[in-house]
Amino acid sequence: SAVISQKPSRDICQRGTSLTIQCQVDSQVTMMFWYRQQPGQSLTLIATANQGSEATYESGFVIDKFPISRPNLTFSTLTVSNMSPEDSSIYLCSVEWGDTQYFGPGTRLTVL
Amino acid sequence: GENVEQHPSTLSVQEGDSAVIKCTYSDSASNYFPWYKQELGKRPQLIIDIRSNVGEKKDQRIAVTLNKTAKHFSLHITETQPEDSAVYFCAASRGAAGNKLTFGGGTRVLVKP
Repeated sequence: SAVISQKPSRDICQRGTSLTIQCQVDSQVTMMFWYRQQPGQSLTLIATANQGSEATYESGFVIDKFPISRPNLTFSTLTVSNMSPEDSSIYLCSVEWGDTQYFGPGTRLTVL
Repeated sequence: GENVEQHPSTLSVQEGDSAVIKCTYSDSASNYFPWYKQELGKRPQLIIDIRSNVGEKKDQRIAVTLNKTAKHFSLHITETQPEDSAVYFCAASRGAAGNKLTFGGGTRVLVKP
């Protein structure tokens, strides 16, 4: 499987600001995904990021709030914009390897 | 879209006993069913998966069974050990490239020594 890293691992931010999370993979992958995991909850898909095309967002998530970039086959970013305390969560990227998904270590975001 | 229900939400077992977690799904086109284990503060890790052309799969103390007719699948952990304590998530997808995973709500397993 691929080795996946995320930056930052955690951050504490003020409401109204934005944070960009980076996801780096050591191999070229076609599909990358971004998930949110609220405290004590399951994983909810935010969007699918395919290189060379616009990200596909799930119901309840919009590009203005969670813009995503996918400039190449090993890298993606997720920005959490105009943050509020409700955005406090763990954000995870995952990559598709075969038909299986493998997860990055996550970014723990706290919004004050 | 797909909906995955997972039960129970919490499970406490004595070390050495077996643990069973059950999931049901709604999309009859789903044909790939992975299970993830998430220890506290860590990423979800794939522990076993099963595809719809197989009814059962084993890997040491872990097994997964699938009943496509009833649209349910289960995770079985035998001879549980304290290190099995974690949150377990089932998921379902249509299995083709780019198909998204839909996750169950998770089961918190506590193995008591």
